[in-house]
Amino acid sequence: AQSVAQPEDQVNVAEGNPLTVKCTYSVSGNPYLFWYVQYPNRGLQFLLKYITGDNLVKGSYGFEAEFNKSQTSFHLKKPSALVSDSALYFCAVRDRNDYKLSFGAGTTVTVRA
Amino acid sequence: GAVVSQHPSRVICKSGTSVKIECRSLDFQATTMFWYRQFPKQSLMLMATSNEGSKATYEQGVEKDKFLINHASLTLSTLTVTSAHPEDSSFYICSAERLEAEETQYFGPGTRLLVL
Repeated sequence: AQSVAQPEDQVNVAEGNPLTVKCTYSVSGNPYLFWYVQYPNRGLQFLLKYITGDNLVKGSYGFEAEFNKSQTSFHLKKPSALVSDSALYFCAVRDRNDYKLSFGAGTTVTVRA
Repeated sequence: GAVVSQHPSRVICKSGTSVKIECRSLDFQATTMFWYRQFPKQSLMLMATSNEGSKATYEQGVEKDKFLINHASLTLSTLTVTSAHPEDSSFYICSAERLEAEETQYFGPGTRLLVL
């Protein structure tokens, strides 16, 4: 079984401040980890993924995430948030031996000007 | 690259009618396509997985006779909601995996279905 937890329903930050969206996961084997962003009435947009290699992965729009195996975490970060980053963010995990993707409940990010 | 389209983006229909939603991978071939349903302010729920040329695999609790899936080619999958009822109103999102990178799903923009 696999699962994802996003402990925060909402994250509010001021523009220009660092943004962190938390994610922890549970899989029986080795994980593939993903972050997606969703704007209102739109599908999910791929941000970044961890497959193997460096624990720090860089993605689109200045986002990055760090894979921490011991803490089973994959937190999403951005050094300086923009108002346009306001959206719904989903963390997802997939066991390498499974085709199914499991999503967290989502975190709504609001960046105020 | 890795663009997935859905058509229509929004549809309103009367109860009892059938609605077909298309999912296309525009710039890549997709080994597998997925259909999800999303309720307001909730996460995505996987409905079914389809592979080109074979029958779809439905998740537990999803009625295969109600949600017909056809995956006719490596770039097209369709979801038909048969005899739609108001409780079928939802946001339906498809995704596709590339042949070259099967670990990543790329999502379409979604289809908003409203059944009156």
